[in-house]
Amino acid sequence: EIVLTQSPATLSLSPGERATLSCRASQSISSYLAWYQQKPGQAPRPLIYDASNRATGIPGRFRGSGSGTDFTLTISSLEPEDFAVYYCQQRSSWPLTFGGGTKVEIK
Amino acid sequence: QVQLVQSGAEVKQPGASVKVSCKASGYTFTDYSLHWVRQAPGQGLEWMGRINPNGGGTNSAQNFQGRVTMTRDTSISTAYMDLSRLRPDDTAVYYCAREDSLKGDCFDPWGQGTLVTVSS
Repeated sequence: EIVLTQSPATLSLSPGERATLSCRASQSISSYLAWYQQKPGQAPRPLIYDASNRATGIPGRFRGSGSGTDFTLTISSLEPEDFAVYYCQQRSSWPLTFGGGTKVEIK
Repeated sequence: QVQLVQSGAEVKQPGASVKVSCKASGYTFTDYSLHWVRQAPGQGLEWMGRINPNGGGTNSAQNFQGRVTMTRDTSISTAYMDLSRLRPDDTAVYYCAREDSLKGDCFDPWGQGTLVTVSS
């Protein structure tokens, strides 16, 4: 099973600041990584697929990068609605797995 | 629009089974696989398994093998997830999500979630 490790667990930032979230895979997953955003009481929604492609309707301030074992989600300038929990997920091999999540909170 | 609507909340006793439904609309049901993901209170996301509505083939996580059964009824565009021998630590919100094969197989959209509470 591929383990995804997200860091940091919590990121405390102010609106307008840049957020950098990391996801590391226990073995190479090529570019088969997606990122999801989840707000309290809501289902997750996709942000990025295949490491760097934005999902439908996702604004340009969200950028995904990386391949192999190291991946990054960057939010260039945090908007109030971006404070949420972010998960990475791999589809390289069964079972599909999620990272433990990074909470982006208001400082 | 593409939508997944799940059945309502359930309260079950330990040892019982629960069946959660996921009704799809806005697309051809048999063209996309459906996944099941759960989230315990205050915890992260856990992938449980998936069903290919075209044929009914399934894959499931080792943690759930022997306890989870995924089925579908193509006549009503509905998928089902049956979890047996429930334990208190199965208390969670259960989501279905469509695998979008046009976008890197990412999960889009998700159902609204079904809270399953296991308690005596």
